[in-house]
Amino acid sequence: KAGVTQTPRYLIKTRGQQVTLSCSPISGHRSVSWYQQTPGQGLQFLFEYFSETQRNKGNFPGRFSGRQFSNSRSEMNVSTLELGDSALYLCASSEQPLRGQTEAFFGQGTRLTVV
Amino acid sequence: SQKIEQNSEALNIQEGKTATLTCNYTNYSPAYLQWYRQDPGRGPVFLLLIRENEKEKRKERLKVTFDTTLKQSLFHITASQPADSATYLCARSRNAGGTSYGKLTFGQGTILTVHP
Repeated sequence: KAGVTQTPRYLIKTRGQQVTLSCSPISGHRSVSWYQQTPGQGLQFLFEYFSETQRNKGNFPGRFSGRQFSNSRSEMNVSTLELGDSALYLCASSEQPLRGQTEAFFGQGTRLTVV
Repeated sequence: SQKIEQNSEALNIQEGKTATLTCNYTNYSPAYLQWYRQDPGRGPVFLLLIRENEKEKRKERLKVTFDTTLKQSLFHITASQPADSATYLCARSRNAGGTSYGKLTFGQGTILTVHP
């Protein structure tokens, strides 16, 4: 089975622009969650989608949004980019919503640099 | 709110020794603790999971323990090798709904370096 695929791998954007990141989960996985990883804050939960519905959202401003399509692929969007949004954005997929004994499978991430 | 803390930012050990990494949590018991390995430029990879009512779990050279009295989980790598060098993350997951649903809460990670 192919793993979790995130595109693009690297991205450089200017402050004020917006960006869309894509995540294709493992075939058969219906849950996709997104995390932001920075040296200072570590891995922070952004949101989780299951069957096209957002089930949970982390403490991020409304500039961060996402969606999930009927084929379970997911996108996240960040509008009005700020320098502090520079980070590694990780997508994780699982068969069921992440909880308890559910194992998360992570993609390689998208490295976003805001200049 | 629940916090997951990995007290050591970095751990350096000699090849062949046992590496022991610590994960502490505050407030209520996290129900499950998961351990992941992350190599530079890559996403985390799941290693082991332990439930709060389990004392110990093993997988090959890996062992994880859960002590609800100390509010701590220990992750051990025996007979460590240079290839074990990576960042190790612990994360809490819960079965309940609400704000815990569908997410992992991670510690900051410990960078392990195994010297030949």
